[in-house]
Amino acid sequence: ETGVTQSPTHLIKTRGQQVTLRCSSQSGHNTVSWYQQALGQGPQFIFQYYREEENGRGNFPPRFSGLQFPNYSSELNVNALELDDSALYLCASSADGTGSQPQHFGDGTRLSIL
Amino acid sequence: SQQGEEDPQALSIQEGENATMNCSYKTSINNLQWYRQNSGRGLVHLILIRSNEREKHSGRLRVTLDTSKKSSSLLITASRAADTASYFCAGNSGGYQKVTFGTGTKLQVIP
Repeated sequence: ETGVTQSPTHLIKTRGQQVTLRCSSQSGHNTVSWYQQALGQGPQFIFQYYREEENGRGNFPPRFSGLQFPNYSSELNVNALELDDSALYLCASSADGTGSQPQHFGDGTRLSIL
Repeated sequence: SQQGEEDPQALSIQEGENATMNCSYKTSINNLQWYRQNSGRGLVHLILIRSNEREKHSGRLRVTLDTSKKSSSLLITASRAADTASYFCAGNSGGYQKVTFGTGTKLQVIP
């Protein structure tokens, strides 16, 4: 069973740039959620994709967008990067989108904005 | 709003001792989940307890849930140095997977 993998592991960008982060879900999982975790804080829910559709969004502006592909892998795109976007971005997959199943997390992408 | 506030924020114990962490939440939940995070890594799922359950065990872990007090506790028995990590509780109150995490308890187990 392949776990959740994220790429890249680290990334450095400058303000105003755009970034794409990638996530491969665990086999058999059709739901992917993305989280932002600032240093010393808990993960904050960005959005969730279930069967290629966004079906839940947290309190993040529209410049945070995503995609889910037919193989259930996913991308997180962030436009017009700001200094406060520096964080660990976590992807988690689960067997359904109801929240009744545990989530399996990748090790994240550490994004630094200069 | 945070659907999980852990207490204490930090805990330091000797190897072999028990560690207890508490979690409070604000609104009704369908289930509550506990996760562990080693420094710089992703979260690892420990236990999921549903709103109609009061207690659940998994190895050295024991979780209780009191929905009347909107609180949960995680007990780690016979702690090991490898248990050193941050522990998060997360309440799920949505019809979709909107699991909201608290800020975590940082546990240090001293060998």
